[in-house]
Amino acid sequence: DQQVKQNSPSLSVQEGRISILNCDYTNSMFDYFLWYKKYPAEGPTFLISISSIKDKNEDGRFTVFLNKSAKHLSLHIVPSQPGDSAVYFCAADSGGSNYKLTFGKGTLLTVNP
Amino acid sequence: DAGVIQSPRHEVTEMGQEVTLRCKPISGHNSLFWYRQTMMRGLELLIYFNNNVPIDDSGMPEDRFSAKMPNASFSTLKIQPSEPRDSAVYFCASKTGTHNSPLHFGNGTRLTVT
Repeated sequence: DQQVKQNSPSLSVQEGRISILNCDYTNSMFDYFLWYKKYPAEGPTFLISISSIKDKNEDGRFTVFLNKSAKHLSLHIVPSQPGDSAVYFCAADSGGSNYKLTFGKGTLLTVNP
Repeated sequence: DAGVIQSPRHEVTEMGQEVTLRCKPISGHNSLFWYRQTMMRGLELLIYFNNNVPIDDSGMPEDRFSAKMPNASFSTLKIQPSEPRDSAVYFCASKTGTHNSPLHFGNGTRLTVT
């Protein structure tokens, strides 16, 4: 039973446009959410996070939105750049565990020049 | 600033052989994690150490898998005997003790068991 779902295996956008990656979760105990980016033959790298007490967190071109009532979060990349092409993983942490991240299966983003 | 270092990067072995994967966490990080990535199941946590002590090994698939952390700068994941279904990418990750600090992953070991 997948508690964190990324329903789009892939996404393709044009350079300069907005990329929106989506993530849904089922466990209401999750209170901290993270996005990781992964290039081929490398490990995932931390990108941005959000606590459940917030509904938005922004870091440069990257913004994460959290809708707790819908159990949905999204990552917006504006403007998208070819170097953003990678697999993006959504991850969730339940209160107090501080370690047992549950990952989605990832979305492959391709940004076309 | 060296990241998490894993070795080997690739391992090809025959069914029944012992496999040992190695990890050096980032200096100063007191938590270490072993993850496995497969197409079917995505990224799964296998085991977690805090201050060199195994805290949660509920993700270890079966007794063929074992992990050790003899000191703060080294950990191993051993599979004995290996089976074709163990083929996957194995990631090691470390983090500080600060609440909600992010995981830092190594580049993984791609294991192929024939």
